Amino acid sequence: AQSVSQHNHHVILSEAASLELGCNYSYGGTVNLFWYVQYPGQHLQLLLKYFSGDPLVKGIKGFEAEFIKSKFSFNLRKPSVQWSDTAEYFCAVTRPGGGKSTFGDGTTLTVKP
Amino acid sequence: GAGVSQSPRYKVAKRGQDVALRCDPISGHVSLFWYQQALGQGPEFLTYFQNEAQLDKSGLPSDRFFAERPEGSVSTLKIQRTQQEDSAVYLCASSTGTSENEQFFGPGTRLTVL
Repeated sequence: AQSVSQHNHHVILSEAASLELGCNYSYGGTVNLFWYVQYPGQHLQLLLKYFSGDPLVKGIKGFEAEFIKSKFSFNLRKPSVQWSDTAEYFCAVTRPGGGKSTFGDGTTLTVKP
Repeated sequence: GAGVSQSPRYKVAKRGQDVALRCDPISGHVSLFWYQQALGQGPEFLTYFQNEAQLDKSGLPSDRFFAERPEGSVSTLKIQRTQQEDSAVYLCASSTGTSENEQFFGPGTRLTVL
């Protein structure tokens, strides 16, 4: 069974600091990878996704993620965080042709103004 | 509506009661998913529909859990004889159908079993 690990449960940064959130998955085959974000009081929404092509993908609000197949990783990055990036971030994996997504347990990001 | 809606938003049940949670997906979305999210954890897959067909129910934790989508649109998740361990947020998501596409999530139903 596939699993997803997010190494950091809670990250606290000051505004303008750089961000990297780790995500590793266990499945050895081809995967589709996603980062979702949940802002306080809002629904889960998509930040970015990878399913083929350039392993460096760019999403909304200046976020990007790099798929490194050899490391089974899909880490999320942002060069300079803002207070409005305070949220919970979830990494998810789906197998091509499959239905369900497997989610990590999430990382809570707090950005201090 | 523009997004996925779920009702009720909050449900308190006494242990042993049956509950029914409703999901209205985005119009035209073929795929519909149910997830259970316990406090401090990520969403865990329960079941998946493509139109009215339930293609995967491997995540349903017991035979007390039942989901249906009879006309390929609205879906209901039913939990019979609720237990305290069923307390969680139940999320519904819909998508246009392929695994490469994002899932659009509803606000969830927070179920508390006393």
